[in-house]
Amino acid sequence: AQKITQTQPGMFVQEKEAVTLDCTYDTSDPSYGLFWYKQPSSGEMIFLIYQGSYDQQNATEGRYSLNFQKARKSANLVISASQLGDSAMYFCAMRETGGSYIPTFGRGTSLIVHP
Amino acid sequence: DAGITQSPRHKVTETGTPVTLRCHQTENHRYMYWYRQDPGHGLRLIHYSYGVKDTDKGEVSDGYSVSRSKTEDFLLTLESATSSQTSVYFCAISEKGFIVPSDYTDTQYFGPGTRLTVL
Repeated sequence: AQKITQTQPGMFVQEKEAVTLDCTYDTSDPSYGLFWYKQPSSGEMIFLIYQGSYDQQNATEGRYSLNFQKARKSANLVISASQLGDSAMYFCAMRETGGSYIPTFGRGTSLIVHP
Repeated sequence: DAGITQSPRHKVTETGTPVTLRCHQTENHRYMYWYRQDPGHGLRLIHYSYGVKDTDKGEVSDGYSVSRSKTEDFLLTLESATSSQTSVYFCAISEKGFIVPSDYTDTQYFGPGTRLTVL
């Protein structure tokens, strides 16, 4: 069973609008971390944002925020005021405290921002 | 930006030949990882290292070996390349890894990737 599920293979958004990229996860650990990475067409993986399972508030980093709903096991990435440079693949990942502690990645969502 | 380089960045080789990819870091991080990325699969862990000469297998380790003789270098070797190993390979580093099992905050930083084609 997949530990990280990203159900949207592709998303489109108009420039300057907000967009939400979905991520659901599966774990029985009480302590875990959730990460989002961006991969532009140039190929590099860029760390965007982190959310800990015990964090009371949703994480924010500039235009990125993480809509963390623990009971629903979802950690959606919200990008506000989309820019053309946001066009990329986005990966959700989770690190658990059980097992090998190495992050598991979802299969990614492709985001295209239209002018 | 984390100081991580990968070499070569692109390589084309033939089936049956050995191939070594190098990851070099200047951050002095203890933990290093090799992933492969394929369409529809996201990132899958091949091997990882938790110190000099300390390595372990990931979920797709068959056909790959690794070595880490220095903190800064992590080598991935395909002993006899096959077409199924055509992929983009990423190296990643992290500072804390799993020193403290309850510490899940450790963040991985990735190298630029190596595109390998096996004909």
